[in-house]
Amino acid sequence: EDQVTQSPEALRLQEGESSSLNCSYTVSGLRGLFWYRQDPGKGPEFLFTLYSAGEEKEKERLKATLTKKESFLHITAPKPEDSATYLCAVRPNFGNEKLTFGTGTRLTIIP
Amino acid sequence: GAGVSQSPRYKVAKRGQDVALRCDPISGHVSLFWYQQALGQGPEFLTYFQNEAQLDKSGLPSDRFFAERPEGSVSTLKIQRTQQEDSAVYLCASSFGGRRLAGTVRGEQYFGPGTRLTVT
Repeated sequence: EDQVTQSPEALRLQEGESSSLNCSYTVSGLRGLFWYRQDPGKGPEFLFTLYSAGEEKEKERLKATLTKKESFLHITAPKPEDSATYLCAVRPNFGNEKLTFGTGTRLTIIP
Repeated sequence: GAGVSQSPRYKVAKRGQDVALRCDPISGHVSLFWYQQALGQGPEFLTYFQNEAQLDKSGLPSDRFFAERPEGSVSTLKIQRTQQEDSAVYLCASSFGGRRLAGTVRGEQYFGPGTRLTVT
């Protein structure tokens, strides 16, 4: 069974204080690993897809990386508007397109 | 359309009532998904359509849950005889499922704002 574990559950940072969020996964062949951002009362917003170990993608202050067992979402010099819950999800090689999500990391950036 | 839309945004039902939740996917998207999100949890898969065909309903928690997409676009998730444990946010997502459309990326699912269901 596919599993996704995210850590920490919650993270509070000062504005400008860089850090990383972790997503560990177990899947029967990885077809894609997805990062989403979710604000309170809203649906998840797509950020990145990673397909193979060693791949990296960047968007503004965010950078996502992938190994064979985990993914990291690095946040550089965060701003208060980066506060949100960050969700990680995997799609296996076999079966349909459904995603298996972790429980998310709730990030708070303090001004 | 500009994005996935869902209605209603909020629904309060008395235990035992039937409810219907609507999803309008991004125009041209072949695949449509329903997820259930409990408070403080990640979304959990319920069911999946490719066009009008329901290819996977393994995540539906009971036979009180039913989903349809009769013309391959709009989808409805119906919950019969609602129970308190059905209280959650119901999210709909769509993906193009094979044809790349401008502004979207292959395989990625785009989510609507969700419907928050409260059963009293």
